[in-house]
Amino acid sequence: AQSVTQPDIHITVSEGASLELRCNYSYGATPYLFWYVQSPGQGLQLLLKYFSGDTLVQGIKGFEAEFKRSQSSFNLRKPSVHWSDAAEYFCAVGGIENTGGFKTIFGAGTRLFVKA
Amino acid sequence: EPEVTQTPSHQVTQMGQEVILRCVPISNHLYFYWYRQILGQKVEFLVSFYNNEISEKSEIFDDQFSVERPDGSNFTLKIRSTKLEDSAMYFCASSVGTSGRTTDTQYFGPGTRLTVL
Repeated sequence: AQSVTQPDIHITVSEGASLELRCNYSYGATPYLFWYVQSPGQGLQLLLKYFSGDTLVQGIKGFEAEFKRSQSSFNLRKPSVHWSDAAEYFCAVGGIENTGGFKTIFGAGTRLFVKA
Repeated sequence: EPEVTQTPSHQVTQMGQEVILRCVPISNHLYFYWYRQILGQKVEFLVSFYNNEISEKSEIFDDQFSVERPDGSNFTLKIRSTKLEDSAMYFCASSVGTSGRTTDTQYFGPGTRLTVL
């Protein structure tokens, strides 16, 4: 079955410290992998995505993620967190269905708190 | 920068009533989506729409739900007879989707919070 697991419901990081948000997925075909960020009262903003090629993907706002097929993981990282990074982060996996349509499955999210 | 807009931002309705949630996708986009997020839970895919027909739908998207592109700019989600469990944030998204390409980046609107009493 297709699924996305974000094992950490919430994480607290000091401003300036490094960050890693974990994501594991289960998907039968070639996965397309995404990280989205959601600030309170806002929609989802795409941080980065992986379709193919280099397994280390650079995104916006200084984020990066590494696709590790052997571990079925797509962890999100940032070397130095800013207070404005406090938000909910969603990992997602998607793929093209037999119908030709594209379906995206989201993880439960990890809420990031940043302390001064 | 173009963006997806949704109206209303908050809709309150009585159980059993019909609601229509409206979305204006980015103007040159061809693929449209609806997602929902029940409070405190994950975002769930509902349906995708391309070339005036449903491209993909989830098991959540039952006969109570329908989508329509009534004109050149709006994309609507209708819930025929709302239930308490339909209370959620509903997000619309769109992607370029040229030639039916489904892997383009999806741009999300700010959401409509639906409260069913």
